[in-house]
Amino acid sequence: DIQMTQSPSTLSASVGDRVTITCRASQSIVSWLAWYQQKPGKAPKLLIYKASSLETGVPSRFSGSRSGTEFTLTISSLQPDDFATYYCQQYNSYSKTFGQGTKVEIK
Amino acid sequence: QVQLQESGPGLVKPSGTLSLTCAVSGGSISTDDWWTWVRQPPGKGLEWIGEIHQSGSTNYKPSLQSRVTMSVDKSKNQFSLRLSSVTAADTAVYYCAKAQWLDAFHVWGQGTMVTVSS
Repeated sequence: DIQMTQSPSTLSASVGDRVTITCRASQSIVSWLAWYQQKPGKAPKLLIYKASSLETGVPSRFSGSRSGTEFTLTISSLQPDDFATYYCQQYNSYSKTFGQGTKVEIK
Repeated sequence: QVQLQESGPGLVKPSGTLSLTCAVSGGSISTDDWWTWVRQPPGKGLEWIGEIHQSGSTNYKPSLQSRVTMSVDKSKNQFSLRLSSVTAADTAVYYCAKAQWLDAFHVWGQGTMVTVSS
């Protein structure tokens, strides 16, 4: 299995902050990486696919980037609705894997 | 817009078999999509279980492969998951989702909680 190492596991931030979450793949996954947002009791919601493509309807304050096997999700100005848990996921192989998740909390 | 809805027993006995179905509405299951199962134990992260194509091709998580079976029922426009020899560690919310090959999961079901307990 390709391992996805996501950091940090928890992040405390304030409204208006710039937030960055990182995911590192154990081997090349090209750009086959997605980012999801999940709120308690809800299904995950796709934010970013193919490392940097914004899903339809997702606010432009969310962006994704890639550098080799390191991927980053950035929220340019954190909004109250953004406090949630975020997961990366690789879909390069026949066996897909998720990162461990990053919980974004109110500071 | 395709919608997915999971259904199945909420309680399964240890050593038994967990069986869930995902109904597809708003579109046909007979497409080039891969129909997927993901689970999430209480308070923990997401775990990909496996996927099935309408042709019957499957890919399973290696550590679950010996216990997982997925199938497609084109007449009912639904797909199913069977997980055998369950233990308390299989207690989770189970989600179905869909994706094309080399694509993310754009569509998800709402999830269904399954508890393994005697």
